[in-house]
Amino acid sequence: AQSVAQPEDQVNVAEGNPLTVKCTYSVSGNPYLFWYVQYPNRGLQFLLKYITGDNLVKGSYGFEAEFNKSQTSFHLKKPSALVSDSALYFCAVRGSSGNTPLVFGKGTRLSVIA
Amino acid sequence: KAGVTQTPRYLIKTRGQQVTLSCSPISGHRSVSWYQQTPGQGLQFLFEYFSETQRNKGNFPGRFSGRQFSNSRSEMNVSTLELGDSALYLCASSHTPDSRNYGYTFGSGTRLTVV
Repeated sequence: AQSVAQPEDQVNVAEGNPLTVKCTYSVSGNPYLFWYVQYPNRGLQFLLKYITGDNLVKGSYGFEAEFNKSQTSFHLKKPSALVSDSALYFCAVRGSSGNTPLVFGKGTRLSVIA
Repeated sequence: KAGVTQTPRYLIKTRGQQVTLSCSPISGHRSVSWYQQTPGQGLQFLFEYFSETQRNKGNFPGRFSGRQFSNSRSEMNVSTLELGDSALYLCASSHTPDSRNYGYTFGSGTRLTVV
């Protein structure tokens, strides 16, 4: 069965500092990996994805994520955090083989402090 | 173009009642998935529909059911509501099941409160 772990419920970072939100996964076959962001009272918005190719993928709003196959990780990063980045972030995965749904982690709340 | 539309936005129901939630996907999208979001569990997969057929079902009791119509609109139904069913129910659409690999589009959700 596929699964996603986001080990931190909450991440606090000062504005202007780099941020990392961690994600590890377990899946059969090659993974399709995603990050979504949720602002209060809203649905999820797509940030970025890894399907194949370069291990470093760039997405919306200056976010990027690095795929590490040996560590089964897909951490979300941003070089310089903004207060407006404060939100709930979800990592998601599905396997490339078979008809499997997209499985999400429990989410990490990011707070960027001015 | 219009996004994914979920109605109603908010619902308050009493234990034992049933509820029907609606999702209209983006025009041209034929794949619809439903998720339940709760603070402790994050997003949990409920169902996936494509061309009126259920392709996947999550690990939820039979009280949770769904369907998709020929115009791709989808509904989910929860019967005999329990307090634990209080959650944000999110709908996501994509052109096809395979195109979900390029990112879903989510609706804003229906907030269900069971009292």
